[in-house]
Amino acid sequence: DAGVTQSPTHLIKTRGQQVTLRCSPISGHKSVSWYQQVLGQGPQFIFQYYEKEERGRGNFPDRFSARQFPNYSSELNVNALLLGDSALYLCASSLVVGGGYTEAFFGQGTRLTVV
Amino acid sequence: LAKTTQPISMDSYEGQEVNITCSHNNIATNDYITWYQQFPSQGPRFIIQGYKTKVTNEVASLFIPADRKSSTLSLPRVSLSDTAVYYCLVGAFYSGGYQKVTFGTGTKLQVIP
Repeated sequence: DAGVTQSPTHLIKTRGQQVTLRCSPISGHKSVSWYQQVLGQGPQFIFQYYEKEERGRGNFPDRFSARQFPNYSSELNVNALLLGDSALYLCASSLVVGGGYTEAFFGQGTRLTVV
Repeated sequence: LAKTTQPISMDSYEGQEVNITCSHNNIATNDYITWYQQFPSQGPRFIIQGYKTKVTNEVASLFIPADRKSSTLSLPRVSLSDTAVYYCLVGAFYSGGYQKVTFGTGTKLQVIP
């Protein structure tokens, strides 16, 4: 089975531009989460989607948005890019089976560089 | 969200047992404790998860005291390939699929030959 796949793997954008990152979860996983990892720091939670609905949002500005499609894939959009948005963006999928924390499987990430 | 605190870095010789402790003083009743391993330019990889007491799998053990305000990841007989950053994570998925998790700052483990 394929793991979590993210595209593109690397991206260079200019300040003020907009970017869309894509994620395909593991087959059967209905929950997708997005994280931002700045160099040298731990991943910071951005969004979680479950059954195509937003279920969680981290402390990020409204420039960040996301959505989940009927096939459970997801897109993360960032508008008006700032230099500080340069980071590794990670997508994770999970098989949610009720209460308690289930294992999250991470993709390789998209390295976004804003110049 | 529960805040976690870990040592920034640790060194260990090959073949030794390594213990990494994470503090999470304001852990919530429903929170689980999970540890992830991350290599450079890769996504984190699940190692082990627990709620209380001790959990063991084929790669690690997780010790959680009764008050759950800390946890210790134990890696037996580390090898050079265990050199990575280890993250302590507290949180939970609730029945509605809601996620509430916090990654720690991570512990950079360097295994020395």
